[in-house]
Amino acid sequence: GEDVEQSLFLSVREGDSSVINCTYTDSSSTYLYWYKQEPGAGLQLLTYIFSNMDMKQDQRLTVLLNKKDKHLSLRIADTQTGDSAIYFCAEFRTGKLIFGQGTTLQVKP
Amino acid sequence: DAGVIQSPRHEVTEMGQEVTLRCKPISGHDYLFWYRQTMMRGLELLIYFNNNVPIDDSGMPEDRFSAKMPNASFSTLKIQPSEPRDSAVYFCASIRGLAGASEQFFGPGTRLTVL
Repeated sequence: GEDVEQSLFLSVREGDSSVINCTYTDSSSTYLYWYKQEPGAGLQLLTYIFSNMDMKQDQRLTVLLNKKDKHLSLRIADTQTGDSAIYFCAEFRTGKLIFGQGTTLQVKP
Repeated sequence: DAGVIQSPRHEVTEMGQEVTLRCKPISGHDYLFWYRQTMMRGLELLIYFNNNVPIDDSGMPEDRFSAKMPNASFSTLKIQPSEPRDSAVYFCASIRGLAGASEQFFGPGTRLTVL
């Protein structure tokens, strides 16, 4: 398909790990990104991964990339209530950032 | 740097009126993007500039939409005449370099309501 796809909603308990999945479209995409959007705010770049990497870790965040399946995931360890937000994945394609529709992460205390 | 500045933060207008949204990017950034976000369509790229020059405006929905970047520190997105379906949050993003750039920042957005 032509769209970057994500599941719409994920609910976890505080302290658990969260895994947000994304399927992108273009196997030649060079960079893939994860953004966080809190209510009433713009998007904040969380992390990105270059297409020749399989994994990237940054503190509580781990990005996994499966190029064969065009699948990207974001794992948040020890999820906190402050992690509640909408998470967007994006691929860099034809000179543009193409976003998924966003996954709302709800963290229950 | 204060980050990407957008004004106004909220705009309520009546159908048929002209609306102008403003963006001040981060100094030194050479790319500026305008996005629109709605529940139905998610984030849509409208247009982007490189060194003040429009590169791709294929996302601009209609001739009612126009964007300019007269200098490196200012861009406008104009809707004339506005319609209720234009109601959305409009974001401006400022980026240094392009692919892989870790220096990319979104503004807080302008929430537009067209009655």
